[in-house]
Amino acid sequence: DAGVIQSPRHEVTEMGQEVTLRCKPISGHNSLFWYRQTMMRGLELLIYFNNNVPIDDSGMPEDRFSAKMPNASFSTLKIQPSEPRDSAVYFCASSVLGGNTEAFFGQGTRLTVV
Amino acid sequence: SQKIEQNSEALNIQEGKTATLTCNYTNYSPAYLQWYRQDPGRGPVFLLLIRENEKEKRKERLKVTFDTTLKQSLFHITASQPADSATYLCALARRNSGNTPLVFGKGTRLSVIA
Repeated sequence: DAGVIQSPRHEVTEMGQEVTLRCKPISGHNSLFWYRQTMMRGLELLIYFNNNVPIDDSGMPEDRFSAKMPNASFSTLKIQPSEPRDSAVYFCASSVLGGNTEAFFGQGTRLTVV
Repeated sequence: SQKIEQNSEALNIQEGKTATLTCNYTNYSPAYLQWYRQDPGRGPVFLLLIRENEKEKRKERLKVTFDTTLKQSLFHITASQPADSATYLCALARRNSGNTPLVFGKGTRLSVIA
């Protein structure tokens, strides 16, 4: 397996634009997580899915953020409209079963909103 | 409120010495605790998982302890090498079920000096 695949690797966008980040988890993994990493706040959990169902989205900062998982092999994180304070590295991770098994992370998407 | 604290942002150590990193948590009752390594520009990579009923876990030059009374985990790298220089993150899975995500500390940046 190629591991967790995220795209794009880098995204630069203007404030107010819509941004869509994509993730393909490892085949056979039941849990998928979206994290955001900044120097100030570290690695923050945004949302996680279990068997394609969102379980906890309490970490999503605002209504501008939304996430979907239409099937077991694809998830998106959308920001609309984007703001400069959304600039961060966004990671997708998957695991066999929640936090009780190791999580495999993608390479991340570095988002810059100008 | 729930907190995961890693003892220091940065730790410098001489090659060949043992590096000891600390992870303290409050208001959690984790069933599992994990340690990850993150290199610049990359996603975290799993190192070790320890369960609440395990006191100690080893893997090659790595050793993790888990004290649920002190609410603390220690992560040791023996005979440290410059290649061990990275950021190390501890992560907790909440107790109640497997369907819970990992939450991470901010990490400790380890530099091993030759």
